[in-house]
Amino acid sequence: QQPVQSPQAVILREGEDAVINCSSSKALYSVHWYRQKHGEAPVFLMILLKGGEQKGHEKISASFNEKKQQSSLYLTASQLSYSGTYFCGSNFGNEKLTFGTGTRLTIIP
Amino acid sequence: DAGVIQSPRHEVTEMGQEVTLRCKPISGHNSLFWYRQTMMRGLELLIYFNNNVPIDDSGMPEDRFSAKMPNASFSTLKIQPSEPRDSAVYFCASSLGHSGANVLTFGAGSRLTVL
Repeated sequence: QQPVQSPQAVILREGEDAVINCSSSKALYSVHWYRQKHGEAPVFLMILLKGGEQKGHEKISASFNEKKQQSSLYLTASQLSYSGTYFCGSNFGNEKLTFGTGTRLTIIP
Repeated sequence: DAGVIQSPRHEVTEMGQEVTLRCKPISGHNSLFWYRQTMMRGLELLIYFNNNVPIDDSGMPEDRFSAKMPNASFSTLKIQPSEPRDSAVYFCASSLGHSGANVLTFGAGSRLTVL
């Protein structure tokens, strides 16, 4: 029940926008997004709960389509600090979180 | 709070040796997770505990792997005997909550190399 992420990798110039997608084959309770920089641990970005409550940072936001069991992460006006690997995590109502294979984002000046 | 603390940060061992990885979760957190990260398989959930009780160990690769949580502030992941294919970064994470809204805080990881 590992979620599927796309694309696998993205290269952007600073200031450009990106969208990362995550889909599940099973009905989701929540979707979590984490970012991992090289050599570091994953860090929580945001969570989207079934029922529509959405959280986000200033230029990083996300949506959750419950009918399609899909979530998308939007990064606008990307900054160099956004580089890293983004993981979505699928949750089905308990504490267990299963991560997708990741999307590697590279921002170049 | 010091966050989730893992030790050792790096471990190099020879095939057949026993390896023990340690984790101290954030005080007050009631769930603890062990993940393994490799290039081929990504971030895999091995096992998780809630209130010190193992809830789901379906991700544990085989009997060579075992995990314990004797109290709320300590957990171990043991590999005996170790094999080269066990080489990976092992992350421990903890969270507070009982539902899918719990946020995981990860430790810095333990990088294991089995020769």
